[in-house]
Amino acid sequence: KQEVTQIPAALSVPEGENLVLNCSFTDSAIYNLQWFRQDPGKGLTSLLLIQSSQREQTSGRLNASLDKSSGRSTLYIAASQPGDSATYLCAVRGNTPLVFGKGTRLSVIA
Amino acid sequence: NAGVMQNPRHLVRRRGQEARLRCSPMKGHSHVYWYRQLPEEGLKFMVYLQKENIIDESGMPKERFSAEFPKEGPSILRIQQVVRGDSAAYFCASSPPTGGEANEQFFGPGTRLTVL
Repeated sequence: KQEVTQIPAALSVPEGENLVLNCSFTDSAIYNLQWFRQDPGKGLTSLLLIQSSQREQTSGRLNASLDKSSGRSTLYIAASQPGDSATYLCAVRGNTPLVFGKGTRLSVIA
Repeated sequence: NAGVMQNPRHLVRRRGQEARLRCSPMKGHSHVYWYRQLPEEGLKFMVYLQKENIIDESGMPKERFSAEFPKEGPSILRIQQVVRGDSAAYFCASSPPTGGEANEQFFGPGTRLTVL
């Protein structure tokens, strides 16, 4: 059974810092991995999708990497801004449609 | 191209009533997924449907919950005889018919169900 873990559970950083969010999964037989952003009381916004054959994806200040063999992904956020404050969710697609981690709650302090 | 639409956005029911949650997928998408987010917990997969077919319902509670995706109209998640433990945010996602399991899922804004 696939399990997804995100570390840390919460993170507070000053504005301008670069930061890394971690995601690990137990079953490496995945089709893809998605990173989402969720604001309080809101839906999910897809940030990046990495297919199993890919090593990384970039979008603006965001870069996500995937090491399928070790069951790890990282989301790198450059030059963080207060508007980046949200919960970041990692989800993997294998035999079950999307297994989610519990998320990392990020606060960027101005 | 409108995104995934869900209604209602907020739903209040008393214990024992029925709740019906609707999801209209993105245009051209024929695969629909339902997820539930309980307070202070992660999102959990419930059911995966294609038009007129349930593909995977391994995450659905065995009783009171059902889902359908008819040939015409939105997908419906139905909860009979709701209990307080059903209070949660219910999210729908859709993906296109080609590409299989590698497809990206696009999420709707969710329906927040409160059971009094």
